[in-house]
Amino acid sequence: GENVEQHPSTLSVQEGDSAVIKCTYSDSASNYFPWYKQELGKGPQLIIDIRSNVGEKKDQRIAVTLNKTAKHFSLHITETQPEDSAVYFCAASINNNDMRFGAGTRLTVKP
Amino acid sequence: DVKVTQSSRYLVKRTGEKVFLECVQDMDHENMFWYRQDPGLGLRLIYFSYDVKMKEKGDIPEGYSVSREKKERFSLILESASTNQTSMYLCASSKGGEQPQHFGDGTRLSIL
Repeated sequence: GENVEQHPSTLSVQEGDSAVIKCTYSDSASNYFPWYKQELGKGPQLIIDIRSNVGEKKDQRIAVTLNKTAKHFSLHITETQPEDSAVYFCAASINNNDMRFGAGTRLTVKP
Repeated sequence: DVKVTQSSRYLVKRTGEKVFLECVQDMDHENMFWYRQDPGLGLRLIYFSYDVKMKEKGDIPEGYSVSREKKERFSLILESASTNQTSMYLCASSKGGEQPQHFGDGTRLSIL
């Protein structure tokens, strides 16, 4: 089955800097790659997703890139703000019922 | 906005008890999911359902069962709770054939 690895497990940046979180997946048939943000005491919230027919997607300060050949995808957050501090999860799936999640990255943005 | 509501935020039960975790979604979604979340392990799928009265095992179904009698409600049942089932439980739903999944805020379950 699919296996998703996520790095780093913790990331600390200064406010205004960029943050990058990377994930690799094992099943080349995976075609959907969402990213979730989980704040303390809340469930994961979708922040951006990308499908396998697209190499990059941007939404304001957040972007995701996908390299299907290398089977890795990354989340980029620019101009980080303290409210970006949270745990971020990547996931990969072939269909909606077969989603596998990474172990999570705890991002801390220091003011 | 999609609303996925889990009935309890915190729950404390004793070993051997039968435990019910309830989840309700208000967007007429076909698919519903139960995950458990443990530090360093991410989210692991316990069971999912793609229609009323239908269920499929996920990666870690042992010790759990589910019930989906109505489209909007998906229940997770711990038949005989054990201490290794202490965890955060997350429910999610999605439109059939589409992604992404929308999550509830979780139930933190402690088994003593």
